[in-house]
Amino acid sequence: GENVEQHPSTLSVQEGDSAVIKCTYSDSASNYFPWYKQELGKGPQLIIDIRSNVGEKKDQRIAVTLNKTAKHFSLHITETQPEDSAVYFCAAPPLNDYKLSFGAGTTVTVRA
Amino acid sequence: DSGVTQTPKHLITATGQRVTLRCSPRSGDLSVYWYQQSLDQGLQFLIQYYNGEERAKGNILERFSAQQFPDLHSELNLSSLELGDSALYFCASSVGDPNPVGGYTFGSGTRLTVV
Repeated sequence: GENVEQHPSTLSVQEGDSAVIKCTYSDSASNYFPWYKQELGKGPQLIIDIRSNVGEKKDQRIAVTLNKTAKHFSLHITETQPEDSAVYFCAAPPLNDYKLSFGAGTTVTVRA
Repeated sequence: DSGVTQTPKHLITATGQRVTLRCSPRSGDLSVYWYQQSLDQGLQFLIQYYNGEERAKGNILERFSAQQFPDLHSELNLSSLELGDSALYFCASSVGDPNPVGGYTFGSGTRLTVV
């Protein structure tokens, strides 16, 4: 099955700075890479995703980059705000599998 | 509101008991996934159903079982509960099969506490 490793486990940034979370995956056939944000007391929410035929995708202050050769993808949050404080999970599914394998999560804290 | 409804939100029960967690998927979604999230742990896949049929199994204990009904809602049954079963249980749904293109939509979870 797919093995997804996520780093760092915790990240503290000053408001306005950038945050970067990196994930590596093991199955070279994986072709879909979503990122989820989980706020306290809530379920994870999809914030951005990328397909394997694209190297980068942006949505306002959030971007995801994918390096298929190295089998890693990253989440970039620019101009961080207090509401960005949450746990972020990356995920990847093996080809023709039905489940997403999630990374262990990164707790992001944005300091005012 | 994500469109995925989980009930109950909180559940406190004693060791050895049996509980049922319920999930209604988002309208139009045929796949339902169950995940367990223990304290300071990530999301562990338990089981997936697609249109009433079991599709995939993860690290689900034999004491746990699930099913998906004709109206597509799903139930996760946990029996002979142990203290270590205390966790958040999430249900998620998706349209896609086999690959979850478009990602999952998660419910708000059921917090199970076994005392």
